Amino acid sequence: DAGVIQSPRHEVTEMGQEVTLRCKPISGHNSLFWYRQTMMRGLELLIYFNNNVPIDDSGMPEDRFSAKMPNASFSTLKIQPSEPRDSAVYFCASSFRTGARNEKLFFGSGTQLSVL
Amino acid sequence: AQTVTQSQPEMSVQEAETVTLSCTYDTSESDYYLFWYKQPPSRQMILVIRQEAYKQQNATENRFSVNFQKAAKSFSLKISDSQLGDAAMYFCAYRRVRNNDMRFGAGTRLTVKP
Repeated sequence: DAGVIQSPRHEVTEMGQEVTLRCKPISGHNSLFWYRQTMMRGLELLIYFNNNVPIDDSGMPEDRFSAKMPNASFSTLKIQPSEPRDSAVYFCASSFRTGARNEKLFFGSGTQLSVL
Repeated sequence: AQTVTQSQPEMSVQEAETVTLSCTYDTSESDYYLFWYKQPPSRQMILVIRQEAYKQQNATENRFSVNFQKAAKSFSLKISDSQLGDAAMYFCAYRRVRNNDMRFGAGTRLTVKP
């Protein structure tokens, strides 16, 4: 399996521009998570989906952030308009949720976003 | 909301020595998972060890072990015989059983001195 695939790996944009981050979860996984990592706050959960349905988006910082999961194999995180304080590493992760107790979270390699 | 606290932003250890990283968490749940993840400079998130709250026995994975104190809501990671490759950022994480989200602490940067 290729693992969780994120694109792009690096993104540099100017303030005010729209940014779209992409994620392909591991095939068969039914839960998907978006995290943001900064030096000050570490890893923050932004939003997560179960079976393509957003369950908790309380971590999304502002209305400028939106996330979608149109199908089981693809999700996007969009920032519009972007601001310099959005600069961070954004991680996507997936897992398979069942009644079993051992659920491991698999992370992508992250997208390093720099907003100038 | 559940919170995870790592009170040590940075730690250092001499190669071959032992180091303990601290983690506390806040929850009203009785059933949950706890994790330690390692993040080397490559940014990859690597699961180091996992503990299920209903298990009293502390988890162990080779040189890595935890001290799980459920009543105190404490979950520390001990790294024995530290190696240069252990240098990384370490994150403590909490996950409820009945829900699905995983919450992380702010991380501890571990330096290993040769």
